[in-house]
Amino acid sequence: DGGITQSPKYLFRKEGQNVTLSCEQNLNHDAMYWYRQDPGQGLRLIYYSQIVNDFQKGDIAEGYSVSREKKESFPLTVTSAQKNPTAFYLCASSKNYEQYFGPGTRLTVT
Amino acid sequence: AQSVTQPDIHITVSEGASLELRCNYSYGATPYLFWYVQSPGQGLQLLLKYFSGDTLVQGIKGFEAEFKRSQSSFNLRKPSVHWSDAAEYFCAVFSPGAQKLVFGQGTRLTINP
Repeated sequence: DGGITQSPKYLFRKEGQNVTLSCEQNLNHDAMYWYRQDPGQGLRLIYYSQIVNDFQKGDIAEGYSVSREKKESFPLTVTSAQKNPTAFYLCASSKNYEQYFGPGTRLTVT
Repeated sequence: AQSVTQPDIHITVSEGASLELRCNYSYGATPYLFWYVQSPGQGLQLLLKYFSGDTLVQGIKGFEAEFKRSQSSFNLRKPSVHWSDAAEYFCAVFSPGAQKLVFGQGTRLTINP
C-alpha cells in the first residue's frame, strides 16, 4: 500500500530537548515537505526538498532542521531553539503539483 | 506573491442542506488550484484539483468546484451535506516559482443534525 507514514502519532518532550519527527514515503516522489499547523493558523511551510541531498527553508524554518539523505525519508528535527514547538506537524510528498499528506505527529513540549 | 483567502473561518449548515465554501486567490497566470479536507487530528486529503480545461471540476465525496477567472475564485460546493462532511477545508494554489503550495487559513464546517 503506497503512502506516507509519520511516527509517532503523539510525542512528548521536555523543554530544552531536541526531538526528531519521522516521515517516510514509498510513492517514489522526489519532492517532500514539512508543515506546522496551529489552531486557526492553517498550514505553514517549515522546510521542503525537491531532490535528495537538497532542501530549502520555508516560511518558518527558524528552530528546525532537516536532512534528505534518501528519497524515501525526510526527518524533521525540532531543536531547543524553537520557541513554541508544541503543534501538529504534517509531512507531505508531491508529484505533478499535487501533494499527498501523512497522518501527522502531535508534538507537546512541556 | 501568491495568496489564498478563505473568507469564512467557520460555517454551520444543517444536514441535507447545500454547501458553498469560498476561496479567492491571487495569482497572475492560470493557477493550479486544490481543495483539501482534514478531519480532526488527521492529515489532509485531496478533494479535487483544477489545472486547465472545464472550469467545473468534480471531486470525491460528491464535491465540486468552479473556477472563475474573472472573480479569482475557486468555490467548493456540495448539493446535500452529510454529518460525515464535518471537517476543516483548505483551498490552495501552487506557486511555480517557489515550487510549493500556498494554503488558505481554512474553513471549519459544522453540520447540524
